[in-house]
Amino acid sequence: DSGVTQTPKHLITATGQRVTLRCSPRSGDLSVYWYQQSLDQGLQFLIQYYNGEERAKGNILERFSAQQFPDLHSELNLSSLELGDSALYFCASSLRQGAYEQYFGPGTRLTVT
Amino acid sequence: GENVEQHPSTLSVQEGDSAVIKCTYSDSASNYFPWYKQELGKRPQLIIDIRSNVGEKKDQRIAVTLNKTAKHFSLHITETQPEDSAVYFCAAVGSGGYQKVTFGTGTKLQVIP
Repeated sequence: DSGVTQTPKHLITATGQRVTLRCSPRSGDLSVYWYQQSLDQGLQFLIQYYNGEERAKGNILERFSAQQFPDLHSELNLSSLELGDSALYFCASSLRQGAYEQYFGPGTRLTVT
Repeated sequence: GENVEQHPSTLSVQEGDSAVIKCTYSDSASNYFPWYKQELGKRPQLIIDIRSNVGEKKDQRIAVTLNKTAKHFSLHITETQPEDSAVYFCAAVGSGGYQKVTFGTGTKLQVIP
């Protein structure tokens, strides 16, 4: 157990809908990262937050947004869902940003039907 | 932006043999290079990392080498065991205020007993 929690574990929804994925970092970690992993694909970096502020952006679609709250938990919002958004979404946290080990959560498996 | 290429995409070795996975990166500003192991259906877990001021790092049967001039780094696993079978990802992390994380495409390692 990495200490990073993600909810829900599984999510099934229809195209066009909106969902929110939640992540709680390890105690003391200030940085949160979001990744998307499609079936048999690599890890695509979406976005990173540090102590409540957005610090880096990867291949995140405009339909997706995220935020980190004062208690350091983070939410990833996915809207106008498409079939291609079906994937495993991982959250990771690290003590600081940059050259620090990232601890991954168990992931949320999103299925869009 | 940063581009990380990883080779090979699949690798089969006999138990007890060595395995080598190679990655190249494009952004000379990247300064942190972690390697993650992901077993089927599970979260990625850090197995070893190296910072740009170090050329080599070893942890028991696992070692990583970094050539900053050539912009490539490699993972070496010696005396492979069946439990080493997994997908391995390399990554490059940028420095400074914008610290995007770029992962390689992954190598599926199969250790044959």
